Amino acid sequence: GAGVSQTPSNKVTEKGKYVELRCDPISGHTALYWYRQSLGQGPEFLIYFQGTGAADDSGLPNDRFFAVRPEGSVSTLKIQRTERGDSAVYLCASSPRDTGLNEQFFGPGTRLTVL
Amino acid sequence: EDQVTQSPEALRLQEGESSSLNCSYTVSGLRGLFWYRQDPGKGPEFLFTLYSAGEEKEKERLKATLTKKESFLHITAPKPEDSATYLCAVRSNAGKSTFGDGTTLTVKP
Repeated sequence: GAGVSQTPSNKVTEKGKYVELRCDPISGHTALYWYRQSLGQGPEFLIYFQGTGAADDSGLPNDRFFAVRPEGSVSTLKIQRTERGDSAVYLCASSPRDTGLNEQFFGPGTRLTVL
Repeated sequence: EDQVTQSPEALRLQEGESSSLNCSYTVSGLRGLFWYRQDPGKGPEFLFTLYSAGEEKEKERLKATLTKKESFLHITAPKPEDSATYLCAVRSNAGKSTFGDGTTLTVKP
């Protein structure tokens, strides 16, 4: 079946602009995670959804970052007033449910470049 | 604060030359330790979950082990297609996942 998909694959924007990154999880997966990965580093946790609600948003760096999952499937990560330091690959992952021990299935990521 | 340190940062092996990758961790209550493989331009791909000290898991040429302070990923007789970045992550009882920065493995034919 289809894996996790993310769009766009690449996004170039100017400092101060607003961007939206989309994640389509595997059908039926109730848990969805967002991570940010900078070059040469491991993924950094941002936010985790169980169904429609954000179960843990402790990784969001500041109030410019916001994520939604209104129908418990597709999720959108929104970044306001982008800064050059926001440049990174944004990864989305999903799993059937979150048990704390479950495998996460990752998408290919969206590469965000802020000029 | 949970921490994960992976070593070495990079490892170059000849095809067939076995070796090990290390993942040292400190976590406030370990729920699970995960190993992932990441190829350039792609998202991480799940390999193993280890739950408790003493546990071992194998998959083809890879074997993962876990102690109370570290985990090893042993690679036996690697092939060029094993070249990738290997990531280690811990999940705390509080639910948060923390990744290491990975070991980039290159296997030369």
